[in-house]
Formats: sequence, structure tokens, C-alpha cells
Amino acid sequence: GESVGLHLPTLSVQEGDNSIINCAYSNSASDYFIWYKQESGKGPQFIIDIRSNMDKRQGQRVTVLLNKTVKHLSLQIAATQPGDSAVYFCAENRGSQGNLIFGKGTKLSVKP
Amino acid sequence: ETGVTQTPRHLVMGMTNKKSLKCEQHLGHNAMYWYKQSAKKPLELMFVYSLEERVENNSVPSRFSPECPNSSHLFLHLHTLQPEDSALYLCASSQHAGTGSSYNEQFFGPGTRLTVL
Repeated sequence: GESVGLHLPTLSVQEGDNSIINCAYSNSASDYFIWYKQESGKGPQFIIDIRSNMDKRQGQRVTVLLNKTVKHLSLQIAATQPGDSAVYFCAENRGSQGNLIFGKGTKLSVKP
Repeated sequence: ETGVTQTPRHLVMGMTNKKSLKCEQHLGHNAMYWYKQSAKKPLELMFVYSLEERVENNSVPSRFSPECPNSSHLFLHLHTLQPEDSALYLCASSQHAGTGSSYNEQFFGPGTRLTVL
């Protein structure tokens, strides 16, 4: 089975609100995590990444939080906009293998 | 946009047809990947090439045959596919292949939407 998964398959938020998308992983050897955004008809696009020696990393309107104790990853989007509507994937890089393992994805819908 | 292009964007084929998917990256990367994306399933890694050499094959049926003539181009040759092979096929590239290397951001192409009748 998949070790990287998402708690909610869909998330609907009001424009301007903050969004939080969660991800769980099971392999403690994973040392690098990425969030991807996939819009309809497009391939996944890199949003933000974090290494396992960090707990938090901020980008433009996005923040990724890593809790290694419970093997949990989250993506926070501030002031969510209609253009943020997409499917969001987390992916983990396992040091021993090195290839990315993807979760199923959460579909974010932004209501105007 | 991402530096990775894929053609065709859409493909419909019968089970007896032979077709090929093409991927090209303009990023100077050394590793290229084929993924399969089916509805409601995680991205499935199919093949990994590093410096034109296949380094991983995740138990993919032989009706899928990859080819990497150089580090910028990757093909996926399709032969006698099944309807369950219908999916979005994504190509990606990264600076290095995953094995032995951490922090492996991959850049994806837009994908080829394949329908097998």
C-alpha cells in the first residue's frame, strides 16, 4: 500500500480564507518532502519543499510544516484565491531509494 | 513552462495499435521519468533513466517499452495495450536520478492523455 496519503480527498474553502492540506507518511527514513499542485489538464507543478532537518518553511503565501514525531506534513495556503483551485500532492523522497513517492492528492476548490 | 514538453497531448488508440509517446526536456537534467496517473490513484512511477541508462523499472508490463536515446529525450513505445492502460502519462526530469541522491525535485511535463479502446 501507499505510505504517503492524504486525510481528505476534497477541500472546499471560501476565497480569502486560509487552506490547510494534510499529508501523512510512514517511512521515517524519508528526508525530503515536496508539495505539488496540479491544475486541470496540466502536469504537477512544484510549490514548496522541505528537508527533514526543518520543521517549517515559508514561501509566497504558502507554508509547509513537518512534524516528524507523528510523520505528518501540511501545506498552508494563505488568503486562498480561485487560482489556487487544483489537486495538491505531497511526495516524499526516501533516502535509500531516492525516488519520489506520491500521495493520492487533495482537490482544493475555492468558492468566490 | 516547466521546460519539459510532451507529445501528443491526447492519444486514442485501439488495442492492436502501436504508438509512441515523446518527452523532451530543455533543462539540462540527467534523469528522466515516466509516470502513470490514473483517476483517484497516486502517481505510479514506471521507469527511471539516468544518463540514458535505465535504472529502475517498477514491474511495468512489457507492452510498455521505454527508450532514452539521449539525456534530453525519452520515449514510451506502446503496443497491444489494454483499456485499463487508459490514463494520463507524465514525463518528468530532475538534475540527478533518485538513487543515492536526496533532494530530488522533479519537473513535470503536461502529460499525454491516453485512451485505449
